[in-house]
Amino acid sequence: TQLLEQSPQFLSIQEGENLTVYCNSSSVFSSLQWYRQEPGEGPVLLVTVVTGGEVKKLKRLTFQFGDARKDSSLHITAAQPGDTGLYLCAGEDDYKLSFGAGTTVTVRA
Amino acid sequence: NAGVMQNPRHLVRRRGQEARLRCSPMKGHSHVYWYRQLPEEGLKFMVYLQKENIIDESGMPKERFSAEFPKEGPSILRIQQVVRGDSAAYFCASSRPPNYGYTFGSGTRLTVV
Repeated sequence: TQLLEQSPQFLSIQEGENLTVYCNSSSVFSSLQWYRQEPGEGPVLLVTVVTGGEVKKLKRLTFQFGDARKDSSLHITAAQPGDTGLYLCAGEDDYKLSFGAGTTVTVRA
Repeated sequence: NAGVMQNPRHLVRRRGQEARLRCSPMKGHSHVYWYRQLPEEGLKFMVYLQKENIIDESGMPKERFSAEFPKEGPSILRIQQVVRGDSAAYFCASSRPPNYGYTFGSGTRLTVV
């Protein structure tokens, strides 16, 4: 059973445009994490959100966590080709991460 | 991903052979986790180990798969009598205690021919 649904599955935009990817969970986890994975590499942690309503910013990336702690979004402003990759959300319970299937983002120069 | 070392990066095995995947955790990390990423699917938890202890192996297939993290040396994920369905990317992650952030290795891509 897929506990975390990510949308869209694929996203292709032009350099300079904005994009948003979504992660919706059927369960409440102790925290929600966002990762970026490049081809042939492992996931790299971008951010961890814990508190409902939390907003975190990382340069051009903005992460929001819903009040009910079941949904989250990642917004990228003025995307660059270097933002290309697979974006994964993961819910954490104790030591176990449950991952969504990911959103493949392609930023065209 | 610097710090968590996985080898080999690519492994090709014929059906029926054994596959051994190694993971050296980041310095200072004593908790190791294995995940499997099948084509077109998300990463799935397999097993959580501390030194000389298996804490949770609820994600491991019941047969042919085993994992260890000895007192000395890397963690090993062992797959006996591999089948085509075992072809996947296997990732190791490590942490200090859980909830203190997880660092993933670059993975081992297993292909069974």
